[in-house]
Amino acid sequence: RKEVEQDPGPFNVPEGATVAFNCTYSNSASQSFFWYRQDCRKEPKLLMSVYSSGNEDGRFTAQLNRASQYISLLIRDSKLSDSATYLCVPQSNTGKLIFGQGTTLQVKP
Amino acid sequence: DTAVSQTPKYLVTQMGNDKSIKCEQNLGHDTMYWYKQDSKKFLKIMFSYNNKELIINETVPNRFSPKSPDKAHLNLHINSLELGDSAVYFCASSQNQGLGETQYFGPGTRLLVL
Repeated sequence: RKEVEQDPGPFNVPEGATVAFNCTYSNSASQSFFWYRQDCRKEPKLLMSVYSSGNEDGRFTAQLNRASQYISLLIRDSKLSDSATYLCVPQSNTGKLIFGQGTTLQVKP
Repeated sequence: DTAVSQTPKYLVTQMGNDKSIKCEQNLGHDTMYWYKQDSKKFLKIMFSYNNKELIINETVPNRFSPKSPDKAHLNLHINSLELGDSAVYFCASSQNQGLGETQYFGPGTRLLVL
């Protein structure tokens, strides 16, 4: 079983749509959680941290379910500039970031 | 201002050669990392240094040798390059090795071994 499982997509959505990505992780000892964004042929950049109570940053909402070992990311009112690969990243209790394969989002005009 | 920089950006070389990739961060961070992203897009940690001391050493062939001359620099030397070493190598840094610390990535070095 992969340490982090994500649907690779691609998710093709029109501008203005709401889209949700899910992720499951296998290490129950994971302590911190992040969503990173990676544009084509670029480096990953932190999108947002994920807190146990869920958190929102503008159009982006992240949720964590520790019992189910499940993380989600919701993007509202999609923009063309949201097109990228979204990486689910739990952090182990030893500090290592464990990257998922990523979910590719393509927002169409 | 460039926060985490890597050189070279592209590296094309023959099998069997030895090459180095350099990384520098000007963020004043204590911890630096090397990651490998293969053709299937999985990003995996290779090494981590905290204040010039090796703290994470994943199962990586010993042909790969990191060196940290000071806490702002972490270089990666690869001996006897193989076809399977072709990948994108990312350097990253964080304030320290604590949980929850954001990692900032360099632009990557695209290595192609022929």
